[in-house]
Amino acid sequence: DGGITQSPKYLFRKEGQNVTLSCEQNLNHDAMYWYRQDPGQGLRLIYYSQIVNDFQKGDIAEGYSVSREKKESFPLTVTSAQKNPTAFYLCASQWETSQPQHFGDGTRLSIL
Amino acid sequence: GQQVMQIPQYQHVQEGEDFTTYCNSSTTLSNIQWYKQRPGGHPVFLIQLVKSGEVKKQKRLTFQFGEAKKNSSLHITATQTTDVGTYFCALNAGGTSYGKLTFGQGTILTVHP
Repeated sequence: DGGITQSPKYLFRKEGQNVTLSCEQNLNHDAMYWYRQDPGQGLRLIYYSQIVNDFQKGDIAEGYSVSREKKESFPLTVTSAQKNPTAFYLCASQWETSQPQHFGDGTRLSIL
Repeated sequence: GQQVMQIPQYQHVQEGEDFTTYCNSSTTLSNIQWYKQRPGGHPVFLIQLVKSGEVKKQKRLTFQFGEAKKNSSLHITATQTTDVGTYFCALNAGGTSYGKLTFGQGTILTVHP
């Protein structure tokens, strides 16, 4: 069954700690995206990748980092430099630029 | 950068009433997509509009794309409790944007039985 898997579902971060959110897809999509959603708000783009070994900053990249070593995987690291990391993080993939994006179930990150 | 305004932010209706959300862009769009996010869930694609003046229907849902390709609307006829959720428009400017979407803030729909 094809889809996008995000893990973990819930994550807690301590002060000064880096945490990594996993995103894996078996849809054979080239493009992948990371969004942040705050309560009652829309999705804001953090990073995106159009192809393996290449990625670009989105609108709110500060305090985040990504890698795209494999087509299937696009992990997001929330670094200690991100002072307000509490949010719902959504990963999406896209087959082709004019096509819709498919989303994972998301990861809820909170500060301890 | 591209600006998007989606209104209203909240809409409370009685079951059976109609509902409309509007999306306006500061720039001409390549296409516009609509997504629905159920409470606690993730956005799910509803439809994509590409042509100027396009109108598409999905059962009780009607989607319109403006003639100038800068605005769009989603109308739900006779709402049901299953329509509850947040409806987002997502703008695709095309060109060098390469599939990037700019999401509106969403309209949160509550349906009272």
